[in-house]
Amino acid sequence: GQQVMQIPQYQHVQEGEDFTTYCNSSTTLSNIQWYKQRPGGHPVFLIQLVKSGEVKKQKRLTFQFGEAKKNSSLHITATQTTDVGTYFCAGRAGSYQLTFGKGTKLSVIP
Amino acid sequence: NAGVTQTPKFQVLKTGQSMTLQCAQDMNHEYMSWYRQDPGMGLRLIHYSVGAGITDQGEVPNGYNVSRSTTEDFPLRLLSAAPSQTSVYFCASSRYLQGTTEAFFGQGTRLTVV
Repeated sequence: GQQVMQIPQYQHVQEGEDFTTYCNSSTTLSNIQWYKQRPGGHPVFLIQLVKSGEVKKQKRLTFQFGEAKKNSSLHITATQTTDVGTYFCAGRAGSYQLTFGKGTKLSVIP
Repeated sequence: NAGVTQTPKFQVLKTGQSMTLQCAQDMNHEYMSWYRQDPGMGLRLIHYSVGAGITDQGEVPNGYNVSRSTTEDFPLRLLSAAPSQTSVYFCASSRYLQGTTEAFFGQGTRLTVV
C-alpha cells in the first residue's frame, strides 16, 4: 500500500532559526496536504498542493511539491514559539484516503 | 457551525468492555474517517466512509466496527476493548470534489483500556 515517510521525527531549534520537514511518498500523489497539531490539540489543515513543482507561501511558511509529485517539504523561516507543534504531511494517490506521515515534532527554544 | 463533534473527550474502559465513540459533522461532507494516534506512529486510518451506507477498512481495522446510516454520523465501535487500543482517536470529514479537500478533525477522544 501507499506509504508516506516524513523526516526528521523531532527537531529542536533556537527561536529565530529556520526549520524544514521533508515528506516522501512511495507512489505518485494526486495532491499533498500539510497539517499542524498543537500539543494536546487536533490536526488543523494548513495547505494543499496539487501541481508538479508547486510552491506556496503563507507568511513565514513555504510549501513545495516535487516535480515528480512524490515528495514535498515545509520550510519555516525564523521560527517563533507559536510554531511549536507537530507538522504532518498527508498524501492522496487518487483514492479518497489520505495517508499521513508520522509527523515532525518541532520544539522552539526561546 | 460546529464542524466535527466527537464524544466523549475522555474514556477509561476495562479489558473486554465495548463502547461506541460518536462522531457527527454538520458540513454535509461525503467522506468521513477514523484515525488513531499513538506516540511516534502518526495518524493511522482505521475505517472510512464515502457516503451513507458505504464503509471500508483502513490500515488498522481489527477490533473496530463502523456504520454510516446518515451523512452526518459515523460512530466507531470497539467490540471488546484491549489494552492495545489505548490511544487518541480522531474523527475527520471532508468533501471529495475537485479543488481543496481539506480534512476537518474533531477534538479527539482519549481512550485508556485497563
